[in-house]
Amino acid sequence: DTGVSQDPRHKITKRGQNVTFRCDPISEHNRLYWYRQTLGQGPEFLTYFQNEAQLEKSRLLSNRFSAERPKGSFSTLEIQRTEQGDSAMYLCASSPIAGGPEKNIQYFGAGTRLSVL
Amino acid sequence: AQRVTQPEKLLSVFKGAPVELKCNYSYSGSPELFWYVQYSRQRLQLLLRHISRESIKGFTADLNKGETSFHLKKPFAQEEDSAMYYCALRSGRGSTLGRLYFGRGTQLTVWP
Repeated sequence: DTGVSQDPRHKITKRGQNVTFRCDPISEHNRLYWYRQTLGQGPEFLTYFQNEAQLEKSRLLSNRFSAERPKGSFSTLEIQRTEQGDSAMYLCASSPIAGGPEKNIQYFGAGTRLSVL
Repeated sequence: AQRVTQPEKLLSVFKGAPVELKCNYSYSGSPELFWYVQYSRQRLQLLLRHISRESIKGFTADLNKGETSFHLKKPFAQEEDSAMYYCALRSGRGSTLGRLYFGRGTQLTVWP
């Protein structure tokens, strides 16, 4: 499978614990996005990388959230001191930056479902 | 502010009937609009985008800037079209370049 890969698929944690998710984008995709999706809603933007640079962060991304893409390939999203309100599906997407028919199309991973007890 | 509205949370039609999923947007500029689809137990995937102006799986969508709409249409629905459909807008400028704004989604059910 050469699509966007996310790990783990499911994570159950207790309130106050830290969790980290990983996203492996499609090879050679320069842009990487994180979204969060809660029940009954569409995905909401969290943050965006172009190569290793984090270019944009949503106001949804509180100081408990941090994302990295150290070598411009895979990315991690860490949530510190989790709260029950953090329970959601966390989606990663990638897109190519170059021109061509796929420019600006975002390809999504299957997501990581977080449950905070 | 950018916003995407999908007024119908649920939509049911019978097989062979026409279907239209509504999407309205607000954006002060030239938007790029997409329809994404999520079949049961599958990931979100692109169905079509307005700049391609093509028909995918029999679906079409026309951008109407006057009505700020991007409705998704299919003349004859099939059972395999049953899925969650999301309309999305891509911001094309400034600090919000690249992010997608999604509607809340419409769950389409096509009955046999």
